[in-house]
Amino acid sequence: KNEVEQSPQNLTAQEGEFITINCSYSVGISALHWLQQHPGGGIVSLFMLSSGKKKHGRLIATINIQEKHSSLHITASHPRDSAVYICAVKPTGNQFYFGTGTSLTVIP
Amino acid sequence: GAGVSQSPSNKVTEKGKDVELRCDPISGHTALYWYRQSLGQGLEFLIYFQGNSAPDKSGLPSDRFSAERTGGSVSTLTIQRTQQEDSAVYLCASGVFNEQFFGPGTRLTVL
Repeated sequence: KNEVEQSPQNLTAQEGEFITINCSYSVGISALHWLQQHPGGGIVSLFMLSSGKKKHGRLIATINIQEKHSSLHITASHPRDSAVYICAVKPTGNQFYFGTGTSLTVIP
Repeated sequence: GAGVSQSPSNKVTEKGKDVELRCDPISGHTALYWYRQSLGQGLEFLIYFQGNSAPDKSGLPSDRFSAERTGGSVSTLTIQRTQQEDSAVYLCASGVFNEQFFGPGTRLTVL
């Protein structure tokens, strides 16, 4: 049983397309993170959410606590957005639970 | 300021040898996590340190794995008698409250 489910697992988009990655979780949480991992690269935290919506540049993250669901949106996608996007949730304990990631490829 | 650093960046070892992986967290961060990322798999929690509290070791896969955090700062993850299935990228993250900042990882290959 995986506490965090992401969809899709793989996504290919044309440059400029609007992209949505979804995350559903089954536990009560105190925070949800969206992480980005480039091939061969480290992991960068994009957002930490506990409610509502956050926006950084072309990236938007939303969370619906009641439905236990979050989405990461990328507007005007660019090849440099190609990466694995990982959803992570933190219940009230110490551990984070991670989705298996969504591999995004943006084609020029 | 400096981020989380890990060393070595790559480690190749023979089955049965012991290895030590080091993590230097961001100064002032009270929380420190170790994770493992196997090829094609998601991140797997290993151990969590918070300040001077006893660590949460619930994610360690076997008693061959151990970790220490000295002086609330540097942490060392030790794997004894390495096995081929230990091959993975080992990631360290530090943070405060619910934030996490990840290090670049150590890629461990057990031959």
